[in-house]
Amino acid sequence: KNQVEQSPQSLIILEGKNCTLQCNYTVSPFSNLRWYKQDTGRGPVSLTIMTFSENTKSNGRYTATLDADTKQSSLHITASQLSDSASYICVVSADGGGGADGLTFGKGTHLIIQP
Amino acid sequence: KAGVTQTPRYLIKTRGQQVTLSCSPISGHRSVSWYQQTPGQGLQFLFEYFSETQRNKGNFPGRFSGRQFSNSRSEMNVSTLELGDSALYLCASSLNRAGWTQYFGPGTRLLVL
Repeated sequence: KNQVEQSPQSLIILEGKNCTLQCNYTVSPFSNLRWYKQDTGRGPVSLTIMTFSENTKSNGRYTATLDADTKQSSLHITASQLSDSASYICVVSADGGGGADGLTFGKGTHLIIQP
Repeated sequence: KAGVTQTPRYLIKTRGQQVTLSCSPISGHRSVSWYQQTPGQGLQFLFEYFSETQRNKGNFPGRFSGRQFSNSRSEMNVSTLELGDSALYLCASSLNRAGWTQYFGPGTRLLVL
């Protein structure tokens, strides 16, 4: 069964500090992995999307890494800001078909940035 | 280019009623997917429509249904509402199928009393 596990479930850090969120998956075959940011009461917004051949992808202060051998990904946030407070969701797409039924969602990491 | 829009944004219903939610995808996008999001379960796939055809369906009862119109706008309907249907309902649009890039709408918050 395809699964995506995210850790930690929740995290509180001080403004200006860095943090790293983890995503482990057992999706096969693998097409791509995405990180989304979801503010409270809003829809998810894409941060990065990576294929098998990509190890690192950045979007401003967000840097995602992918190790396809160990089936692990991480999202690193640099110099956190209050606006980074949100849930971060890891989504893995299985190959073939390309439909929404091939997507496996993690339950997210709830990040709180304290001033 | 306008993003994905969903209406209404908030809805309160009572058990046994039915509800219809609407989603307008990004102009030119042909795929619309629907998801239910609850605190305990995260995002769960409901169904995907592509060019007016339902391409696949998640593991939800038949009370949940949907359709897509020729302009790609989509509606989902939930009949005989139960308390457990209270959730944030998200739709996402894609240029083609959802396996690559999806753009989510703001969601409809449904509360069933």
